[in-house]
Amino acid sequence: DGGITQSPKYLFRKEGQNVTLSCEQNLNHDAMYWYRQDPGQGLRLIYYSQIVNDFQKGDIAEGYSVSREKKESFPLTVTSAQKNPTAFYLCASGPMWGLAGVSYNEQFFGPGTRLTVL
Amino acid sequence: GDSVTQMEGPVTLSEEACLTINCTYTATGYPSLFWYVQYPGEGLQLLLKATKADDKGSNKGFEATYRKETTSFHLEKGSVQVSDSAVYFCALSSYDKVIFGPGTSLSVIP
Repeated sequence: DGGITQSPKYLFRKEGQNVTLSCEQNLNHDAMYWYRQDPGQGLRLIYYSQIVNDFQKGDIAEGYSVSREKKESFPLTVTSAQKNPTAFYLCASGPMWGLAGVSYNEQFFGPGTRLTVL
Repeated sequence: GDSVTQMEGPVTLSEEACLTINCTYTATGYPSLFWYVQYPGEGLQLLLKATKADDKGSNKGFEATYRKETTSFHLEKGSVQVSDSAVYFCALSSYDKVIFGPGTSLSVIP
């Protein structure tokens, strides 16, 4: 079955530690995304990548880092510089947007990782 | 910049009631429009989409029509079930990103 997997489902971190969240997709999608969701809130974009070895900052990139060494994988590192990292993190992937001025950009989401800082 | 506005929640309905969740957008170009649904503790699932003006997306009894003249994409369902309780997000594609609305929480009571 094609899809997106995120691991772990729950993650606990001590203050001052870096932690890496995994995201893998076998949908052959070019683009991948990381979002943060706080309780009762919408989604905020952290980073996104449209091709291997390239990625762009989203709206709240400070305190986070990513890599895109393989098309299938887009891990997110939450660093100790992130002041309030406790949240639900969602990874998504999608095909590249289409013709200039016409975007389709449907995104497929993983099940999420809930990160708690102790 | 591009943006999505949706009605404030939470919305509470009795089973078999009609549902409308309003969504309006601001965008340049020709965005595609989406409704996503999120069940508790899970990721988002695409519910329906429309890629051009006057398109109607539909799935699982939900419908939404892309209205370019009113820049709207309201979600409707004629008879809701308890299993429809979730958070619903309106979204639009904006070049290389998707812009999400804040979400509307729906609770359906028996």
